[in-house]
Amino acid sequence: EPEVTQTPSHQVTQMGQEVILRCVPISNHLYFYWYRQILGQKVEFLVSFYNNEISEKSEIFDDQFSVERPDGSNFTLKIRSTKLEDSAMYFCASTSDGGAEAFFGQGTRLTVV
Amino acid sequence: RKEVEQDPGPFNVPEGATVAFNCTYSNSASQSFFWYRQDCRKEPKLLMSVYSSGNEDGRFTAQLNRASQYISLLIRDSKLSDSATYLCVVKVRGTALIFGKGTTLSVSS
Repeated sequence: EPEVTQTPSHQVTQMGQEVILRCVPISNHLYFYWYRQILGQKVEFLVSFYNNEISEKSEIFDDQFSVERPDGSNFTLKIRSTKLEDSAMYFCASTSDGGAEAFFGQGTRLTVV
Repeated sequence: RKEVEQDPGPFNVPEGATVAFNCTYSNSASQSFFWYRQDCRKEPKLLMSVYSSGNEDGRFTAQLNRASQYISLLIRDSKLSDSATYLCVVKVRGTALIFGKGTTLSVSS
């Protein structure tokens, strides 16, 4: 069964450092997303990406965040200067047509110290 | 006002029990509705979509009441493997999914 893969599974970083979280969406999917889940809280939408540009973003997705699809397979989330409150599980997801089932990757646990 | 609200839980039930989860959403323009399941420290996985006419998938039945902005999930004959957090999810517009905080179910033998 095709799946969304994310790397790394766990990243520890110093406050103020830049991190890049990587995702490989399902190959024939066209819509890509990042969500985050702070421990004990709900899953929150960050950004959606379609046709090589951001199609929608939440209030959380401020100037410290950026997304990129550098090649035909990877989809990355960059956090420019990490804060303690960025510590969370970050999930990548993809869908074939934006309305169908969203497939989630296993997540990257980001710990900012 | 929270966009998607769910029973806080946790629900602790014995095997074989029937359990129901409720969810309300605030935006009347919501277009699509889902129940996702999330195991501890894992990714959310789609359990079922929810349709206006109600739908069933084995032991699971989902209902939607658009007038009341209410969604429900019924699990019959609970199994140990049903233990998880159940997330009520809506899509308002565009492509973003809006998640509830989830209700934790623990099924014991």
